[in-house]
Amino acid sequence: DQQVKQNSPSLSVQEGRISILNCDYTNSMFDYFLWYKKYPAEGPTFLISISSIKDKNEDGRFTVFLNKSAKHLSLHIVPSQPGDSAVYFCAASATSSGSARQLTFGSGTQLTVLP
Amino acid sequence: DSGVTQTPKHLITATGQRVTLRCSPRSGDLSVYWYQQSLDQGLQFLIQYYNGEERAKGNILERFSAQQFPDLHSELNLSSLELGDSALYFCASSVLGQGGYNEQFFGPGTRLTVL
Repeated sequence: DQQVKQNSPSLSVQEGRISILNCDYTNSMFDYFLWYKKYPAEGPTFLISISSIKDKNEDGRFTVFLNKSAKHLSLHIVPSQPGDSAVYFCAASATSSGSARQLTFGSGTQLTVLP
Repeated sequence: DSGVTQTPKHLITATGQRVTLRCSPRSGDLSVYWYQQSLDQGLQFLIQYYNGEERAKGNILERFSAQQFPDLHSELNLSSLELGDSALYFCASSVLGQGGYNEQFFGPGTRLTVL
C-alpha cells in the first residue's frame, strides 16, 4: 500500500518556465512533508518542507503548496533551470508513539529542464 | 556535501556472505536512519537510532541488524545475503529524535551488489 504517490514518473519543461511536481498521500496522520532532489550516484538532497499547519512555504525559486483536504502537495520551481534536472522525491512523516519521524517516500519524478 | 559520510561507496559480494555498512552522522545529530533503495522500489525506511537506542523499525529483514555507537556512528549489518539484497543503502541523520519537525540529511549511499 503506497502511502505517498507521485503519479508522474517524468516531466519535461523549458528553461525559464515553471515546473510543477505533484504528490498525493493517503495517511491522514502525516503532518510534515518534504521534497528532496536526487542526482545519480548521490544521496537525496533536502530542498524544502512544510508542516500541516501551513498551506504554503517558499524558499527562493521553490514553493511547496499543501492541500490537506485533498491530501495533495505540489512543488513549484520558478524559473526552472537546466541544473534542476534531477529526480524529485516527495516524503512525508508522522510522529509514531514515542519515536521519531521516519520518512515515507514517493517513487520520484524525473524532471528534465530543456535549454 | 550533507556532512553525512558513508563507507564503503561500493561493495560487491557473494550470496550467503555478511557485510557491514558504516555511517557517520552530521556533527551534533543524534538520530541516524537507514534506508534501502532497490531498482523496483523507492526509498524504504529500515531502522532508526537515537543517541544509541533503537527508536523505530520499518521494513527491515531479520537478517539485517544495526547499531549506533557512543560516538554516534552507526553500522548496518547484512547477513546471509541474497541476490535481492542488491540495492543502494542510504544513511540519514537529523538533530531531533522525536516530536519536532526536522529534515533528514542523507549520505552519498553504499551500492551493494550481491552476485
